[in-house]
Amino acid sequence: DAMVIQNPRYQVTQFGKPVTLSCSQTLNHNVMYWYQQKSSQAPKLLFHYYDKDFNNEADTPDNFQSRRPNTSFCFLDIRSPGLGDAAMYLCATSRVAYNEQFFGPGTRLTVL
Amino acid sequence: GESVGLHLPTLSVQEGDNSIINCAYSNSASDYFIWYKQESGKGPQFIIDIRSNMDKRQGQRVTVLLNKTVKHLSLQIAATQPGDSAVYFCAGRSGYALNFGKGTSLLVTP
Repeated sequence: DAMVIQNPRYQVTQFGKPVTLSCSQTLNHNVMYWYQQKSSQAPKLLFHYYDKDFNNEADTPDNFQSRRPNTSFCFLDIRSPGLGDAAMYLCATSRVAYNEQFFGPGTRLTVL
Repeated sequence: GESVGLHLPTLSVQEGDNSIINCAYSNSASDYFIWYKQESGKGPQFIIDIRSNMDKRQGQRVTVLLNKTVKHLSLQIAATQPGDSAVYFCAGRSGYALNFGKGTSLLVTP
């Protein structure tokens, strides 16, 4: 089945230690998104790629970076995780001409 | 220091009853709205969508109503089942971004 896959599902890192979260999709969608979702809150868009074009939300901290080496994969890099970055990170995709965003299962990040 | 958790609004319904979940939006430029269901530990799952030129759309056991005059969206679930227990988010599209509402926790009791 076509889907959005996130690895790992659970990630533990130390304060200040760089961490990379991975997302892949078999939907061949043009757009890939990264959201941050803290406990009992709504997902918050960090940035998205439309093909290779990167679009950062204005309030996304510089500590968060992203890479999209090809259509299928997108990575979220957190350069120096702080305690406040502990959250669920959701990857989503959409086809440009369609509106629905398909979400992956998320990666839960713990910062010690 | 002490941390204070945020508490989602909770709607508790009995199995078999109809549920109505409400959402207010602020961005008049939103042209498309989606309801998502999110179970614990999982990503949001699409339920139903509606374009801003419509006021009602029906799916299987679900209906979405849109009132643009008062910027209000609602999700109606017929014959609510235990498997419907989850957090429900409305989201409005503005450009590529989906702006999510705060979410409502639906608890279905037997």
